[in-house]
Amino acid sequence: EVQLEESGGGFVQPGGSLRLSCAASGFSFRSYAMSWVRQAPGKGLEWVSTISGSGDPAYSADSVKGRFTISRDNSRSTVYLEMHSLRDDDTAVYYCAKDFGRGASNYWGQGTQVTVSS
Amino acid sequence: EIVMTQSPVTLSVSPGERATLSCRASQSVSASLAWYQQSPGQAPRLLIYGASTRATDIPARFSGSGSGTEFTLTISSLQSEDIAVYYCQQYNTWPRSFGQGTKLEIK
Repeated sequence: EVQLEESGGGFVQPGGSLRLSCAASGFSFRSYAMSWVRQAPGKGLEWVSTISGSGDPAYSADSVKGRFTISRDNSRSTVYLEMHSLRDDDTAVYYCAKDFGRGASNYWGQGTQVTVSS
Repeated sequence: EIVMTQSPVTLSVSPGERATLSCRASQSVSASLAWYQQSPGQAPRLLIYGASTRATDIPARFSGSGSGTEFTLTISSLQSEDIAVYYCQQYNTWPRSFGQGTKLEIK
């Protein structure tokens, strides 16, 4: 059974940093790209970042480029999202997702809440 | 960036009736289009990928069609458990992008 468990969310002041983790199990982790998708309160889904199975290449949305970095540790079956210079509009539930084929996400975690506020 | 536009914003359908949701891309995404269902308080669930292929364990009442810039998700006979927000997503070109969602309600 595929499982994705996010952690690392919390409350942070503007300008602060957080590192999200997503621990995966139930599939051959290194064979699949992984993505982060976020959802601000009462809003729709926003794609944030995707990393290939090998770790290179990786892609990010313009809204987070230069502030967020996606990475993975295939030995630990874990994908990370390092977030710096956080802003109020980064407040959201952050979902980790497993990709397959050309890029649809067929498994999702339950999400971790990130709140940026002074 | 490819902009995905969904219509309508809200759709009210009676149980057992057909629901038709639309998604338009600002430029061609070929067949690299997915549909997701998000029930209240839940994570998204993949319904359709490749514009028309049902994901694992998705009921046959869900079907997808289209290619290029125009796509449709059809629920042939609405069930109460289908009440949710539905999102389309293109994965043909970086950055990936989602539509703003269609909220499906019971009439």
